[in-house]
Order: sequence, then structure tokens, then C-alpha cells
Amino acid sequence: DTAVSQTPKYLVTQMGNDKSIKCEQNLGHDTMYWYKQDSKKFLKIMFSYNNKELIINETVPNRFSPKSPDKAHLNLHINSLELGDSAVYFCASSHKAGKPSYEQYFGPGTRLTVT
Amino acid sequence: SQKIEQNSEALNIQEGKTATLTCNYTNYSPAYLQWYRQDPGRGPVFLLLIRENEKEKRKERLKVTFDTTLKQSLFHITASQPADSATYLCALGSNAGGTSYGKLTFGQGTILTVHP
Repeated sequence: DTAVSQTPKYLVTQMGNDKSIKCEQNLGHDTMYWYKQDSKKFLKIMFSYNNKELIINETVPNRFSPKSPDKAHLNLHINSLELGDSAVYFCASSHKAGKPSYEQYFGPGTRLTVT
Repeated sequence: SQKIEQNSEALNIQEGKTATLTCNYTNYSPAYLQWYRQDPGRGPVFLLLIRENEKEKRKERLKVTFDTTLKQSLFHITASQPADSATYLCALGSNAGGTSYGKLTFGQGTILTVHP
């Protein structure tokens, strides 16, 4: 039973297309995140949602839009894909406000390649 | 701006030795620091958390220290094994509310290779 799952694992698409990545967690956590890991392996926060409410919105192009239908799901929609969007995208979840703990649980990642 | 540096991009050691990884930060006052392990093609996995008022934490063969004066954390793996080979990431977190809520800022990682 996977704690944090993402689909698809690999996504290859052309510039200009619109794509979505789905994330689901079955840990009962209130907070979910999207991270981007570039080719240099830096892991950077993009968004976080707490119980369907947007909390963190880093400097991310408007082409990226997170959507949280319920607290167990946080999807990432990307419009007009560009070459620079190629990266691995990770979803993560955690308890709210560190109660009882702060650690984050990550999904397996989605490798997005834009050609 | 906040900066986190893991001093070694890659660290190679012999099996059985202690691996020591370093995480330094500037322009940040974290409430806690976490260490994660990441294997190729997989997501990071939480290992240890240490709070700002703690000096040291241990878990099995792992030990973390946190010096808020030096703005540094050391991560030790004792009696290292080839299975410990992975990328290790440090991450700083804040208790502040608002847009800092739950936000982790990661270092670039250190690739550890333990040779048999």
C-alpha cells in the first residue's frame, strides 16, 4: 500500500502542450506539496496546500496551477509546456503544523521531458 | 537570501568507516533541520529531525548534530555499509506561519558511496 503515489511516472510531451500530474496520499495528512528537482538535483518547493487551501506559492510561472479536490489529492496542471519545465516533480505530504511531526513523505516522482 | 550548502558534492568511504556529511546555512534561523536519503529514481525518504534547542539526535547507526551558533549540522553514519550508498539531503524548516508554514528548504545533496 503506497503512502504517496503519483501518476504518471514518466511524461514525454512537446512544447506548447498542456499536461497534468496527479498525486494521492493515504496517510491521512492535512498538508500536501509539490516540489521540482532540476538536473542539478536541487529540490525546490513550488506549492503547498493545507486541507485544500493554498498556503505556499513560490515564484512559479502562472502556467503551473495546483488543484486540490480534497485533502488526499493534489494535482499539478501545466499549461503551454516549455523546454525548461523538464525536471522531476515530486509530490509530498505531512501532518499539519508538525503535529505530531514535521517529516514529509515523498512520492516516487514524475519525470517530465519536454521536447 | 537564505543559502544552504552541503559541503561535499560526493563522498567516498570504505565499508565499516564513519561517514560524516556537513550542512551549513546562512541568513536563516531554522526551527528544525531534517535529513533525507534519496536513491536514484526515487523520492527522498525522511531519516532524522533535530530541533533548534537540541544538540544531538541518534537513531541506530545515524547521528545528527545541530550547532545554531556555527549554523551547521553534521550527519554521521557509523559502521557504514554499501547499502548506505545514496544521496543525502539536509533540509531546514521554520515554525513561522503564513507562507513559511511547512516549508522545507533543501540543500543540493551529498552523494555518498560506500565501497566494499
